[in-house]
Amino acid sequence: DAGVTQSPTHLIKTRGQQVTLRCSPKSGHDTVSWYQQALGQGPQFIFQYYEEEERQRGNFPDRFSGHQFPNYSSELNVNALLLGDSALYLCASSLYDGTGVYGYTFGSGTRLTVV
Amino acid sequence: AQSVTQLDSQVPVFEEAPVELRCNYSSSVSVYLFWYVQYPNQGLQLLLKYLSGSTLVESINGFEAEFNKSQTSFHLRKPSVHISDTAEYFCAVSLSGGSYIPTFGRGTSLIVHP
Repeated sequence: DAGVTQSPTHLIKTRGQQVTLRCSPKSGHDTVSWYQQALGQGPQFIFQYYEEEERQRGNFPDRFSGHQFPNYSSELNVNALLLGDSALYLCASSLYDGTGVYGYTFGSGTRLTVV
Repeated sequence: AQSVTQLDSQVPVFEEAPVELRCNYSSSVSVYLFWYVQYPNQGLQLLLKYLSGSTLVESINGFEAEFNKSQTSFHLRKPSVHISDTAEYFCAVSLSGGSYIPTFGRGTSLIVHP
């Protein structure tokens, strides 16, 4: 049973560019959350997608946007990259049971470096 | 909103010694509590969780944590650590009602020396 798959594993971009990160959830999971983990910090919640809609959003600017596809996979897009966007981006999938989500499973992340 | 404080950024310890990683949370409502472990260049893995019931929860690899509501703490302990326990440990809290989105602490680096 495959876990959460993220691609690419590493990425180097230039300031001002745009980037797209991809996530395939664990089989049976329908909810995808994205986190940003800066070096030496804990993961910070960006947003969560369920039924192809953004359900909740953390304290991140509109430059961060996402999408969820009918097969539950998800993309994270970041526009107008800043040096401060350099971080490990983690995707976590989970299952929504009607009252809440349980059983977060994290991927290994995408390491984004902005130069 | 809930928040988590991990009091130690780094904890060095010798192999086979006991260890405690401290975690305090802040919330005005009931919470769920978690400990995650992150090995180098990997994502987070759930170590153990407290949802309800017994305040002492255990993991399969010898770690345990105790929920203390009066002290708003959820400290992680292991009586005897191994070199392989060297990793980053994150405490997380989520509200017990709602979207259950966990808020993470800044992490504690456990360094086990031979």
